[in-house]
Amino acid sequence: EPEVTQTPSHQVTQMGQEVILRCVPISNHLYFYWYRQILGQKVEFLVSFYNNEISEKSEIFDDQFSVERPDGSNFTLKIRSTKLEDSAMYFCASAQTGGGYRGSNQPQHFGDGTRLSIL
Amino acid sequence: DAKTTQPNSMESNEEEPVHLPCNHSTISGTDYIHWYRQLPSQGPEYVIHGLTSNVNNRMASLAIAEDRKSSTLILHRATLRDAAVYYCILGGNKLVFGAGTILRVKS
Repeated sequence: EPEVTQTPSHQVTQMGQEVILRCVPISNHLYFYWYRQILGQKVEFLVSFYNNEISEKSEIFDDQFSVERPDGSNFTLKIRSTKLEDSAMYFCASAQTGGGYRGSNQPQHFGDGTRLSIL
Repeated sequence: DAKTTQPNSMESNEEEPVHLPCNHSTISGTDYIHWYRQLPSQGPEYVIHGLTSNVNNRMASLAIAEDRKSSTLILHRATLRDAAVYYCILGGNKLVFGAGTILRVKS
């Protein structure tokens, strides 16, 4: 069964440094997402991406975050100047369709995440 | 975003059925009901979804109340591998995760 893959599985970075988290979504999927989960807390939506642009983003996704689909297969999340509070698991997901604001009827497939530790 | 309410935790014996409830009294007519689960140290995993009719797949069944204000995820024979946090989510382009139900399975 096709799956979403994320690299690296664990990233350790000094505060203030830039970090890029990488994801390879399922090949025929068109909608891409990033979520994060701070240790012991809920999974939080960060951003959705379709047709080479952001379709929705949360309040967490401020100017230090950016996403890109640099080629036909990768989907990346960049954090420009990391802060201690950015330490979390970051999950990438993809779906065949998004379905708009409500009414999506396609499941999102998640990777196993990248654990980001900011020192 | 429409809100869901789930019990904090449930416990089941191995090989027995499990019924995980979810209340969503403010659901809108176009909201799909999605269930995901998260095993320890893994990303969320899609389980099942539906709109109005009951749904079955290889993992589980979803029973949706006639007024759509509640639903129940049914695991027909719980295994130790089913121990996870189960999330009931409405919508949507973005998934809004609550705290979910922690399912413990006893051998």
